[in-house]
Amino acid sequence: QQQVKQSPQSLIVQKGGISIINCAYENTAFDYFPWYQQFPGKGPALLIAIRPDVSEKKEGRFTISFNKSAKQFSLHIMDSQPGDSATYFCAASINDYKLSFGAGTTVTVRA
Amino acid sequence: GAVVSQHPSWVICKSGTSVKIECRSLDFQATTMFWYRQFPKQSLMLMATSNEGSKATYEQGVEKDKFLINHASLTLSTLTVTSAHPEDSSFYICSARDSGGAGGYTFGSGTRLTVV
Repeated sequence: QQQVKQSPQSLIVQKGGISIINCAYENTAFDYFPWYQQFPGKGPALLIAIRPDVSEKKEGRFTISFNKSAKQFSLHIMDSQPGDSATYFCAASINDYKLSFGAGTTVTVRA
Repeated sequence: GAVVSQHPSWVICKSGTSVKIECRSLDFQATTMFWYRQFPKQSLMLMATSNEGSKATYEQGVEKDKFLINHASLTLSTLTVTSAHPEDSSFYICSARDSGGAGGYTFGSGTRLTVV
């Protein structure tokens, strides 16, 4: 039973476009929501994370939008580049303990 | 930033043998480390939580006698796949939480295990 539901499974975006990935959760006890980027054959790397007391966080081209009432959060990748082609995972945890991962989204950026 | 080193990055072993994978936190102490398994094009599946100086906590359905975890120091956790079989072939990834960080988890680079 996946505690964090992620969509879409994959997406293709043109260079310079915006990639949007959505995640939804049920457990209101979650208090930490990170996004990870994973390249083939590598471990995930933290991109950006948010806590529920903030509705939006931006770091460079990456923005998390968080909607506590809807129990949803999303990742926006602005000005997508070919180097952004990777698999992205949303996740959630309680009290900085075990992470529950979404199913992942494969992003392909076409030059 | 926090760095987690995982070794080896890939290993091929014969069916019936055991393989040990090491996970080290290089510049921070980690009282808790996590071990994941990932199948191709799938998400990370948590196998167990490794606690320094105590027994690991295994997720439901994970055989503790097959996947032995030892966390003998604040910077090293090991996963030993015992009596490996082809179905154990997978990508294994460890992570550690820097207790001094703001809830950040750092992942190792993963180990590709192939059992032949």
